[in-house]
Amino acid sequence: DTGVSQNPRHKITKRGQNVTFRCDPISEHNRLYWYRQTLGQGPEFLTYFQNEAQLEKSRLLSDRFSAERPKGSFSTLEIQRTEQGDSAMYLCASRLLGETQYFGPGTRLLVL
Amino acid sequence: QQQVKQSPQSLIVQKGGISIINCAYENTAFDYFPWYQQFPGKGPALLIAIRPDVSEKKEGRFTISFNKSAKQFSLHIMDSQPGDSATYFCAARWTTNSGYALNFGKGTSLLVTP
Repeated sequence: DTGVSQNPRHKITKRGQNVTFRCDPISEHNRLYWYRQTLGQGPEFLTYFQNEAQLEKSRLLSDRFSAERPKGSFSTLEIQRTEQGDSAMYLCASRLLGETQYFGPGTRLLVL
Repeated sequence: QQQVKQSPQSLIVQKGGISIINCAYENTAFDYFPWYQQFPGKGPALLIAIRPDVSEKKEGRFTISFNKSAKQFSLHIMDSQPGDSATYFCAARWTTNSGYALNFGKGTSLLVTP
């Protein structure tokens, strides 16, 4: 257990519905990352926060995706109008000043 | 983002043997190369990492060999154990306008047989 928690751990939804995931980073880690991992692939970078500021977004992050970190602590990732192609594991990682990103256990999303 | 190419896709090694996983990259701006281990249902966990100014780093049974001129690096697991059975990802760090992010390989599924 790295100390990064994610909720829910699993989510099944119907196509077209909105879903929201939460990430609680390691306390005092001011840098937070979201990645997406599909079956048989490595994690792909989605977005990055330093404190409450969203400083970087991947081209993978379509307009249906929005991430927030309102108080510089926990973060949420919302997917609107889900599509079957959104089915994946969504991973959160946090970092302080060092190089190591500590990953949470992920939220596995299945869109039916 | 630039690709990191990882091979093999899967690997079966007998207990006590050496597991070797290879990665290659193109972007010379990458400045940090970690290896992550992932068990089913878990997030990736950092195993070992190296900077490009070092040719080798060893931690216990795990060794990274780094060839900067060839833009290749590899993970060696000595005396492989069944508990090492997991998926291994190499990664490379790239610098964004405002920080860092990781670019991962596609992973190698390692099975260590008793």
